[in-house]
Amino acid sequence: GAGVSQSPSNKVTEKGKDVELRCDPISGHTALYWYRQSLGQGLEFLIYFQGNSAPDKSGLPSDRFSAERTGGSVSTLTIQRTQQEDSAVYLCASSLDRAGGVKTQYFGPGTRLLVL
Amino acid sequence: GENVEQHPSTLSVQEGDSAVIKCTYSDSASNYFPWYKQELGKRPQLIIDIRSNVGEKKDQRIAVTLNKTAKHFSLHITETQPEDSAVYFCAAISPLWQGGKLIFGQGTELSVKP
Repeated sequence: GAGVSQSPSNKVTEKGKDVELRCDPISGHTALYWYRQSLGQGLEFLIYFQGNSAPDKSGLPSDRFSAERTGGSVSTLTIQRTQQEDSAVYLCASSLDRAGGVKTQYFGPGTRLLVL
Repeated sequence: GENVEQHPSTLSVQEGDSAVIKCTYSDSASNYFPWYKQELGKRPQLIIDIRSNVGEKKDQRIAVTLNKTAKHFSLHITETQPEDSAVYFCAAISPLWQGGKLIFGQGTELSVKP
């Protein structure tokens, strides 16, 4: 079946502009995560949506970052007034919570953001 | 809250040797520990996972061991091959009161030299 998809695959923007990144999770997956990965670095957690619960926004680095998940499916990560340090690959992942706490995450291909 | 530490950050081995990557976690309530492999320029993918009711799990050349008392788990790769070269991430689940989300380690860059 279809996996997690993200768009755009690449985005080049100018400093100060706003950008929107989209994630389409696997159908039926209740959990959705956004991560940021700078070149050669680890997975920096940004935000976590789980069903109808309030999202866990504890990883968002500043108030320029926000995310929505509409209808429990598609999610949009918005970065306002982009800065050069926002340049990174933004990864989305979804999971279907199973009995016993098993939470296999399936990652999308990522959006590579470059802020000039 | 849950914290996951991963060591080493880089690991270089000769083809055919074994590689071991270790992770520790802080919350004794964590009960699920997956490992992800990320090849250069690609997305992370699950390679093996273990639940807290077992101490070891094997899948061909890879195995994961879990020591709940010491709160650490390890990835073992035997007979390494150049295609095993990648970054490996361990993870643990945070407690339910923190939303039960996966917390990742910092990653280990494994290089297998032919």
